[in-house]
Amino acid sequence: QQQVKQSPQSLIVQKGGIPIINCAYENTAFDYFPWYQQFPGKGPALLIAIRPDVSEKKEGRFTISFNKSAKQFSLHIMDSQPGDSATYFCAAQGGTALIFGKGTTLSVSS
Amino acid sequence: EAQVTQNPRYLITVTGKKLTVTCSQNMNHEYMSWYRQDPGLGLRQIYYSMNVEVTDKGDVPEGYKVSRKEKRNFPLILESPSPNQTSLYFCASSTRQGPEAFFGQGTRLTVV
Repeated sequence: QQQVKQSPQSLIVQKGGIPIINCAYENTAFDYFPWYQQFPGKGPALLIAIRPDVSEKKEGRFTISFNKSAKQFSLHIMDSQPGDSATYFCAAQGGTALIFGKGTTLSVSS
Repeated sequence: EAQVTQNPRYLITVTGKKLTVTCSQNMNHEYMSWYRQDPGLGLRQIYYSMNVEVTDKGDVPEGYKVSRKEKRNFPLILESPSPNQTSLYFCASSTRQGPEAFFGQGTRLTVV
């Protein structure tokens, strides 16, 4: 069964900290690994994404690290801010399948 | 403005009363899908459509129907809603090549 396992379920950090969210997948046919950010009352929106031929991708304060052999990928948020408080979903996509992790609720305290 | 529009945003209904949640996108996307979001369970796909008149089941299709008569619209139909369908529903669209999915604002459904 296709699954994407995401941890932790919730995370609390202080402003300036570096929260890390981890995901693991099983299906090697996945060829695209996006992260979505969701604020309360809004739909998820694409934050950053990576393909499996790249080990790291950075966009601003957000970095994805990808370990193809371990079938794991993670999101790092540098210098986290209260405005980063949201729910983050990792996902894996292949063909018509877009499978989401269960989400991580991040709270950044000031 | 490129967007996915869902209506209604909030709905309270009674068990067994048929309802439809509409979804419309203005980006000429081929691919559309419906998800439900429940605490601790993340986003689970209900149905998806690869193009007009082409639909298929996702992971949790029981109790739902969809149709895709026009490219821009993808309504979700609950013919006999039950309390276990109380959830937050999202419609999403993307191009066939993907990969970015654009989500609507969500519909919070309560079935009593």
